[in-house]
Order: sequence, then structure tokens, then C-alpha cells
Amino acid sequence: GAGVSQTPSNKVTEKGKYVELRCDPISGHTALYWYRQSLGQGPEFLIYFQGTGAADDSGLPNDRFFAVRPEGSVSTLKIQRTERGDSAVYLCASSRTGAGGELFFGEGSRLTVL
Amino acid sequence: RKEVEQDPGPFNVPEGATVAFNCTYSNSASQSFFWYRQDCRKEPKLLMSVYSSGNEDGRFTAQLNRASQYISLLIRDSKLSDSATYLCVVNTNSGYALNFGKGTSLLVTP
Repeated sequence: GAGVSQTPSNKVTEKGKYVELRCDPISGHTALYWYRQSLGQGPEFLIYFQGTGAADDSGLPNDRFFAVRPEGSVSTLKIQRTERGDSAVYLCASSRTGAGGELFFGEGSRLTVL
Repeated sequence: RKEVEQDPGPFNVPEGATVAFNCTYSNSASQSFFWYRQDCRKEPKLLMSVYSSGNEDGRFTAQLNRASQYISLLIRDSKLSDSATYLCVVNTNSGYALNFGKGTSLLVTP
């Protein structure tokens, strides 16, 4: 079925490098979310898009993290000057309308920063 | 104080047992409440929404106590396949995104 697709599934990079993670949401879903999950923790909210605009980016940890959704569909999470503490599974989710409705998650992108 | 707090467990129970998980949330203005299930190394999936009047879905019952800012999940007649992490979820201050608890780990044994 056409679920949420995330690429790459695994990414290993070196400290200080730049990384892009891509999310292709379910067709027709206007709301898109990025979460980060570390081992033994629940998903941590990063940013929420409604259409093309970031409606809530309060979860981005610092200015090294940035996300875009230029055409209101595919989104890219960008991490500059990666640090070892950025290692986690980055989960993307989409929702039909947002407003706290059901989130459909992708399988995640596992980022390892050496 | 974290916005959503859960006992991480693990809860180890035999097949057929009844088990209950609790969760507290800090934002009294929250309006949306859910339980998600996450299998090992998989993505979270919605288990059920939680309504003020309480709701039941087969062996699963969810309750909400707004006055105490407390949510519960009851699983009756546990199956081996219920083994997973159960995530308590509450909408954020902005109302758009969802805040997840740390999760409660359940292991059902034969």
C-alpha cells in the first residue's frame, strides 16, 4: 500500500557532516510531522507542516536543524554540522488534516553519527 | 516536568492476564488523547483514541480522567501478540502536534 516512505532507511555519517532525510507522505495528507526517537525513549516532536508552511517548529533542538516542504508533499529534514548526539531514528508521519488526528508513521531513517 | 509521563515497566505478565497502564499529562488544556503501540524496531501505530466517556475496543479499554489529568489502558485476556511498547499520546500546547510519553513495555509470556 502507499504508506509514508522515508529514505534513506539507514545513514552513517561523520561528525560535522551535513545530512538530508527525505519523507514522502501518504497522498492527500496535508499534515506532515517529523519526530526523533532515541533508544528507550518515546518519539520527540520536532516540527509540523500544514501544507507548505511550518505551523509549529518549536521542537527543533537548535539552528542546525531545518526542514522544508516546498510543494506541500515531500519533506526534507536537514541537519548541519552533525554531532554524535544527533544519532537517533528520525520518524516522519502524515495525517489527513492535522489537528491532533491519527498519525501514520514511516519506518524511519536511522542516523548514526560517528 | 515532562508533558506526558508513563511508567516504563517492563510489565511481564502471563497469557490470559489483565494488565493496566497509566499515564499522566501536564497540559490541562489538552484535548486529544491516544494510545499508540510500537513493536520492537518498528514505527508507532494507533491503537485507540481516548474519549472523555471512556471507550472499549475488544479486549482493550481506555479511560480519561480530566480532573486528575490521567489516562489509562486496560488489556484483558493478554495474548503473546500484545507484547510491545505502549505509548501514551497527548496533543501539544499548540494543539497541532502530538506529544508522546516514553512508553510502557509489555511482555506477555506463555
